[in-house]
Amino acid sequence: SQQGEEDPQALSIQEGENATMNCSYKTSINNLQWYRQNSGRGLVHLILIRSNEREKHSGRLRVTLDTSKKSSSLLITASRAADTASYFCATDGGDYKLSFGAGTTVTVRA
Amino acid sequence: DTEVTQTPKHLVMGMTNKKSLKCEQHMGHRAMYWYKQKAKKPPELMFVYSYEKLSINESVPSRFSPECPNSSLLNLHLHALQPEDSALYLCASSHASTRAEQFFGPGTRLTVL
Repeated sequence: SQQGEEDPQALSIQEGENATMNCSYKTSINNLQWYRQNSGRGLVHLILIRSNEREKHSGRLRVTLDTSKKSSSLLITASRAADTASYFCATDGGDYKLSFGAGTTVTVRA
Repeated sequence: DTEVTQTPKHLVMGMTNKKSLKCEQHMGHRAMYWYKQKAKKPPELMFVYSYEKLSINESVPSRFSPECPNSSLLNLHLHALQPEDSALYLCASSHASTRAEQFFGPGTRLTVL
C-alpha cells in the first residue's frame, strides 16, 4: 500500500539548477529510501537513510530525514539532462515491505 | 554481477492464455519480489520470497502464481488474466538479513487483450 506522499508531483528546471522534492509518510519506519525511474524502465536505488540519521550525502544528492515530522527531502544539485526521471521515496517499515510514494516527475531542460 | 534480468521485455497475451515471466539474479540475494506498476503510479508490492519461501502475498488474485525454484530464479505464472492486469511487472531482489536497498530489473511490459 502507498504510504508516502510526495510533492511536487512534477518539477521542471533548467540544467545546472537544483531540484528539491519532499516526501511525507504516516507510520514509523526503519529506513527511507529514494529511487529513480527513467520512463518505462526499472527503478534504480539512489540512497538510503536510516531512522536514526538526519542527513546523508551521495555525490550530487542530499537527503534529509525528520522523523518527528515524518518527512524527508531529496535535493539534486547542479542538475543535468540525465537527471530527467521520476523519483520515488519508499519507506521500509519492516518485513521486507517497501511502501512507495506517488513520485515526483523531474524534467531538466537543456 | 549486480544485475537483475527479466524476460521477456514485452508480452502480449489473450485472456485465455497461460504465460510466465522470469526473473534472475546472481548477487546472492535471498529475498526476491514481484511488483506491479501501472502508468504514472508507484510500484505496488505483489509477492515476497525469503529464502525461497513465499513470505508475503499482498492479496493478489490467484490468476497470478509465483514460484521460486532456487535462490537465483523467480517466476510469475499468468493464467486467465484480465485487461486491467496490463502493466509493467517488476522483479527485485535484496539481502534478506539486512534492511538494505532493493535491486530492480527492467521489467516486463504486459498487455492483456
